[in-house]
Amino acid sequence: AQKVTQTQTSISVMEKTTVTMDCVYETQDSSYFLFWYKQTASGEIVFLIRQDSYKKENATVGHYSLNFQKPKSSIGLIITATQIEDSAVYFCAMRENNYAQGLTFGLGTRVSVFP
Amino acid sequence: DMKVTQMPRYLIKRMGENVLLECGQDMSHETMYWYRQDPGLGLQLIYISYDVDSNSEGDIPKGYRVSRKKREHFSLILDSAKTNQTSVYFCASSLSGTGNSDYTFGSGTRLLVI
Repeated sequence: AQKVTQTQTSISVMEKTTVTMDCVYETQDSSYFLFWYKQTASGEIVFLIRQDSYKKENATVGHYSLNFQKPKSSIGLIITATQIEDSAVYFCAMRENNYAQGLTFGLGTRVSVFP
Repeated sequence: DMKVTQMPRYLIKRMGENVLLECGQDMSHETMYWYRQDPGLGLQLIYISYDVDSNSEGDIPKGYRVSRKKREHFSLILDSAKTNQTSVYFCASSLSGTGNSDYTFGSGTRLLVI
């Protein structure tokens, strides 16, 4: 069974700095997919970025990037040049490749960006 | 306009009443999902639908049932609602239920059962 753990419940950062948040996962599959989502204060949940387990390069989308450390079963999210609107809850999620199933989510990390 | 639409946004029901939560998507996605979100428990999968009339229980299906008669529409039904079903319910869809298909989420329905 897959499991996703986010140990940081909250992080506070100053605007225009970099924030890094951790996520570790458990799976028996050799092939799997990792996702990060953002939930804003209004409750909207949006997809940010994805890492396929077979890809060695870390994914990057805009000012979001991933730190994929497969031997450690870790997928960190890095947000550079943070803005006030990056304040949100960030969820890590995964799906194993062997069969159709829903994503399993971590409990989230709340990021507060201060001016 | 690619989106998932949930209705209603807010709902108050008395214990024992039936509840219908509706979800629609305009992306012709095969797979749709219902999750509930509770503080400290995160997002928990209730049901997954792979296509019309092809539904599967998620991690917490007890007390819920679903209906998918058209690909674009997925309903969650609570028969005789209970107070512990007070939660925020999210519908999501994905192109496929496998691989790297990401979700598009609806805006959520806040359900209060009193």
